[in-house]
Order: sequence, then structure tokens, then C-alpha cells
Amino acid sequence: GQQLNQSPQSMFIQEGEDVSMNCTSSSIFNTWLWYKQDPGEGPVLLIALYKAGELTSNGRLTAQFGITRKDSFLNISASIPSDVGIYFCAGQLGETSGSRLTFGEGTQLTVNP
Amino acid sequence: DTGVSQNPRHKITKRGQNVTFRCDPISEHNRLYWYRQTLGQGPEFLTYFQNEAQLEKSRLLSDRFSAERPKGSFSTLEIQRTEQGDSAMYLCASSFGLDEQYFGPGTRLTVT
Repeated sequence: GQQLNQSPQSMFIQEGEDVSMNCTSSSIFNTWLWYKQDPGEGPVLLIALYKAGELTSNGRLTAQFGITRKDSFLNISASIPSDVGIYFCAGQLGETSGSRLTFGEGTQLTVNP
Repeated sequence: DTGVSQNPRHKITKRGQNVTFRCDPISEHNRLYWYRQTLGQGPEFLTYFQNEAQLEKSRLLSDRFSAERPKGSFSTLEIQRTEQGDSAMYLCASSFGLDEQYFGPGTRLTVT
């Protein structure tokens, strides 16, 4: 089945630093999404990307849908302590191939105040 | 709050018992999904419904697992004869068509 490789697995940064994480796939997706999950809670949607090459921002977050449709990255600028959590990328093929999401293994972000 | 809700939030059961979880999606959403998440991993797809029809099931969904969405609103996920390997977080998500999927808080199952 499809695999999403997400990197890095973990990051330890100082408050105020910028963060970058990415996700690559062995095959294409038609939609890429980024979620954040806190311990014991469900994933919360951050950004959704629908077109190859698309660059979308949500506050301090910026994400891009790779031109090849096999990758995506997420940047967080000027990190703050509440950015702590696990960030997941997810890919979706779409109507003709099912609407299930395929998730990466997550990036654990720690922000030191 | 009109987000996705799941009950119970936590369930501890003994091996061999049956358990049932409930998911209430966002009211106008016609698609409802079930995922399973084990520690240190991303969620894995189990099954999804469009209205009351179950349209796709993962190979992860063994014959001990059954899901229903009888009136196209809430859904239940039942696990029969639970095994220790069933211990996980069970997540429900909903969407309108192929729009973004929004997740509930999950049900944490522990099988002892």
C-alpha cells in the first residue's frame, strides 16, 4: 500500500525559531492535509492543499503541495510554546480511488521557552 | 460545540469481551470515517460511510469488527471478542463529500 515518509521524526527548538517538516510519498496524491495532535486528543486540521504547486498560509503556518504531487512541506514561523505537539501529514487520492486519508508517522515538536 | 463527538472517551475491557463505540459527526456532513491509531503511529483507515452506505473497508477491519450508520447520522463501531492487539485509539472523522475531514477526540481502548 501507499506509504508516507515524514521527517524529521522529532524536533527540539527554542521559542521564536522557525520550523520546517516535510512528507514524501512513493505515489501521487490529489490532496494533501496537515494536522496537529495533542496527547489524548484527535487530530486537528491545520491546512488543506488541493492543487499541485499550491502554497497556502494559515497564520504562522505555511504549507506547499509539491509539483510532482508526491510531497508536501509545512513551515511554522516564530514558534511559541503552544506549538508543541505531533504534526501529521495526510494524503488523499480522491473520488475515483477512495476518500480515505493515508497518514505519515508524525513529527514530534518540542518548543523550549 | 458542533464538532465531531465520540463516546466513551476511554474504555477498559477484558480480553474476549465485546465493546461498542459511538460517533456523532458534524450535522451536515454526509461522510463518516473510522480510523485506528496505535502509539507512535499515524491514524490508519478502517472504513467509511456515505450517508448510511458503507462504501469502503480496510483489510485492517477483521471479521470481529463491524460498523453501522443506520440512519446516516451517528455511527457505531463494535469489536467482538476483543484481543490485546485491539488496544488503540479509535478515531472518527466526518466530511461533506471530499471536503476536509474533521476528527473527533477519539475513544481510547485498553484490553487487559
